[in-house]
Amino acid sequence: KAGVTQTPRYLIKTRGQQVTLSCSPISGHRSVSWYQQTPGQGLQFLFEYFSETQRNKGNFPGRFSGRQFSNSRSEMNVSTLELGDSALYLCASSLTGGDYEQYFGPGTRLTVT
Amino acid sequence: GENVEQHPSTLSVQEGDSAVIKCTYSDSASNYFPWYKQELGKRPQLIIDIRSNVGEKKDQRIAVTLNKTAKHFSLHITETQPEDSAVYFCAASIARGAQKLVFGQGTRLTINP
Repeated sequence: KAGVTQTPRYLIKTRGQQVTLSCSPISGHRSVSWYQQTPGQGLQFLFEYFSETQRNKGNFPGRFSGRQFSNSRSEMNVSTLELGDSALYLCASSLTGGDYEQYFGPGTRLTVT
Repeated sequence: GENVEQHPSTLSVQEGDSAVIKCTYSDSASNYFPWYKQELGKRPQLIIDIRSNVGEKKDQRIAVTLNKTAKHFSLHITETQPEDSAVYFCAASIARGAQKLVFGQGTRLTINP
């Protein structure tokens, strides 16, 4: 089975712009979660989607949003980018969430200048 | 909210020795505890997990123990090898349908030959 894939792998944006990141889960997995990884804050949960519905949300401002499609693929969007949004954005998929194992994608490295 | 503390932040051991990483969690409702290994420039990789109905789990050289009363869990790596060098993250989750992993800050493990 193919693993979790994310596109693009690298992205450079300017402050004030917006960005959309994409995640394709492992085939058959219906839960997709997003995390932000920075050296200072570590791995922080953004949100989780299941069956096209956001089930859980972390403590991030409303500029961070996401969605999930009927094929379980997910996108996250960050509007009005700030320098502090520079990070590695990781998505992870699991069968249905709960206590099922969560597998990570390679991440999208976002740099905001 | 949920908080996970991880210690130590860095750990250096001689090849062949054992390594122990400890985590404590704050929310007594947490019931799923995975451990991830992240090598430089790579995605976090699930190495072992434990659920709250189990006190210990072993997989070859890796073991995890859980003490629900004290709200702490530990990763034990025996007979360490150079390829064990990486950053290790513990996480805790209240696994009821929706999935949200709260991560510790990570431990940089270095195996000295």
